Amino acid sequence: DSGVTQTPKHLITATGQRVTLRCSPRSGDLSVYWYQQSLDQGLQFLIQYYNGEERAKGNILERFSAQQFPDLHSELNLSSLELGDSALYFCASSKGTAYGYTFGSGTRLTVV
Amino acid sequence: DQQVKQNSPSLSVQEGRISILNCDYTNSMFDYFLWYKKYPAEGPTFLISISSIKDKNEDGRFTVFLNKSAKHLSLHIVPSQPGDSAVYFCAVVLNAGGTSYGKLTFGQGTILTVHP
Repeated sequence: DSGVTQTPKHLITATGQRVTLRCSPRSGDLSVYWYQQSLDQGLQFLIQYYNGEERAKGNILERFSAQQFPDLHSELNLSSLELGDSALYFCASSKGTAYGYTFGSGTRLTVV
Repeated sequence: DQQVKQNSPSLSVQEGRISILNCDYTNSMFDYFLWYKKYPAEGPTFLISISSIKDKNEDGRFTVFLNKSAKHLSLHIVPSQPGDSAVYFCAVVLNAGGTSYGKLTFGQGTILTVHP
């Protein structure tokens, strides 16, 4: 157990729908990062939050949004889902820097 | 624009021999480099890292080498074991100590298979 908890582990939904992925960071970590791993792809950085504030943005589509709540858990919202959004979505946490990065076990999203 | 490349999609090695995984990057400003190991249905697990001020870091059977002039990173596993079979990702960081730039940029991964 890495200490980073992601729910749900699996999600199957239809095109056009909206889903929310949840991440609870490791205790004491202030920063949460979201990554997407599509088939045959490396992990692509989506977005970073630090203590409730957005700090860095990567290749995140406008249909996707995220937030970090006062208790430091984070949610990634994916809307108007397309078949190409099917992927593994990983959350990671750290105290704020790249040191001590820890990943969760991911949410596998399948859009049908 | 791929900033980090792992040119070998797969590598097959005999148990007990050395595994060498390679990674090239384009930005000389990257200051922290990491290797992650990933099993199916699990998140990436940190393996070993190296700062740009060093050229070698060792941890047990794992050694990471950094050649800054060539912008090249490698991971050596000696001796290789069947349990090392996994996908290995290299990752690079810009301004590793800053709270706004902690994002990791990953390579595409190399599938390592260690045969008994």
